[in-house]
Amino acid sequence: DSGVTQTPKHLITATGQRVTLRCSPRSGDLSVYWYQQSLDQGLQFLIQYYNGEERAKGNILERFSAQQFPDLHSELNLSSLELGDSALYFCASSVGPAGTYEQYFGPGTRLTVT
Amino acid sequence: AQSVTQPDIHITVSEGASLELRCNYSYGATPYLFWYVQSPGQGLQLLLKYFSGDTLVQGIKGFEAEFKRSQSSFNLRKPSVHWSDAAEYFCAVGAGNDMRFGAGTRLTVKP
Repeated sequence: DSGVTQTPKHLITATGQRVTLRCSPRSGDLSVYWYQQSLDQGLQFLIQYYNGEERAKGNILERFSAQQFPDLHSELNLSSLELGDSALYFCASSVGPAGTYEQYFGPGTRLTVT
Repeated sequence: AQSVTQPDIHITVSEGASLELRCNYSYGATPYLFWYVQSPGQGLQLLLKYFSGDTLVQGIKGFEAEFKRSQSSFNLRKPSVHWSDAAEYFCAVGAGNDMRFGAGTRLTVKP
């Protein structure tokens, strides 16, 4: 158990809908990262927050947004969902903001768009 | 920008045989290097990391990795593979604000 929690575990929704994925980092970790993992794209970095502020952006679509709250939990919002958004979404956390800190991954949320 | 290459998409080894998974990186300075393992349906788990010092690092589950600056490599090894090692393995390089993951190597273990 990494100490990172993600809810829900599974999510099935229809195209055009909007969903929110939630992540709670390990106790003491200030950074939260979001990743998308699909069979054809592999593990893709989406976005990082550190202590409430956006720190780095990866291949995140404009339809997707995220935020980190004062209690350090984070939410990833996916809107106008398309079939191609079906994937595993992972949250990870680390102590510091830099890529030099090891990341601890949650169990993931499996999103299926029908 | 740094990059990570895992040349082998899929490797099959027999149980009890030795294992080496390759990882090459591209970065101007010495990066921070990591190996993660992902079992089916699970998140990624950190196996080991290299920051500096001894170039041979030990990790969990009997894994080790060797940093070779001259070859820009950080290969993962295990002397005797167990069936439970079947998983996907990711090499990652961290520098600055960024951590980049390789495409992963899927390990199949034959009985």
